[in-house]
Amino acid sequence: QKEVEQNSGPLSVPEGAIASLNCTYSDRGSQSFFWYRQYSGKSPELIMSIYSNGDKEDGRFTAQLNKASQYVSLLIRDSQPSDSATYLCAVSSGSARQLTFGSGTQLTVLP
Amino acid sequence: DADVTQTPRNRITKTGKRIMLECSQTKGHDRMYWYRQDPGLGLRLIYYSFDVKDINKGEISDGYSVSRQAQAKFSLSLESAIPNQTALYFCATSHGSYNEQFFGPGTRLTVL
Repeated sequence: QKEVEQNSGPLSVPEGAIASLNCTYSDRGSQSFFWYRQYSGKSPELIMSIYSNGDKEDGRFTAQLNKASQYVSLLIRDSQPSDSATYLCAVSSGSARQLTFGSGTQLTVLP
Repeated sequence: DADVTQTPRNRITKTGKRIMLECSQTKGHDRMYWYRQDPGLGLRLIYYSFDVKDINKGEISDGYSVSRQAQAKFSLSLESAIPNQTALYFCATSHGSYNEQFFGPGTRLTVL
């Protein structure tokens, strides 16, 4: 059984701070890693993809991948109240590259 | 804009009824997926299709069936709905080797 684990939170940070979201996965053969943002009652929105070890930056978002530790993280710099949402970690593995999702971390950015 | 659409957006039905949820996409993607989301359980894969003739069961396919009518259309059916199928249902599409998936707006299904 492939597993993706996230701290469920809730995680609260003040506006302007750095929010750090973490994810671990069980399948060492996983190939691709994604972060989705989901607002309450809405569909998941892809915000970051990362495929190799190291950091990938896109605006205020940085994804970090460490395959040896089976760990992927998302940093949100200069957090805004509009970043308040649930963040889903997803991992692609197997010949069909199916996505396995974590249960999500709820982030609240306090004004 | 290229998009993924789902109909209906909300549906309330009774136990034992047959229900069909429909998904259409204008992204030109070859792969399509159906997921359900329950509070605290994340997204779970029901069925997926890599093209019209390639349909595969996901993690939780029991009680569901699908039809890929065309590259752009993928329908999910509940032959005899039961209350524990009450959930949010999402369709997603993808293409390419990295399998980035893009989600439709979802259907909120309630089975009484």
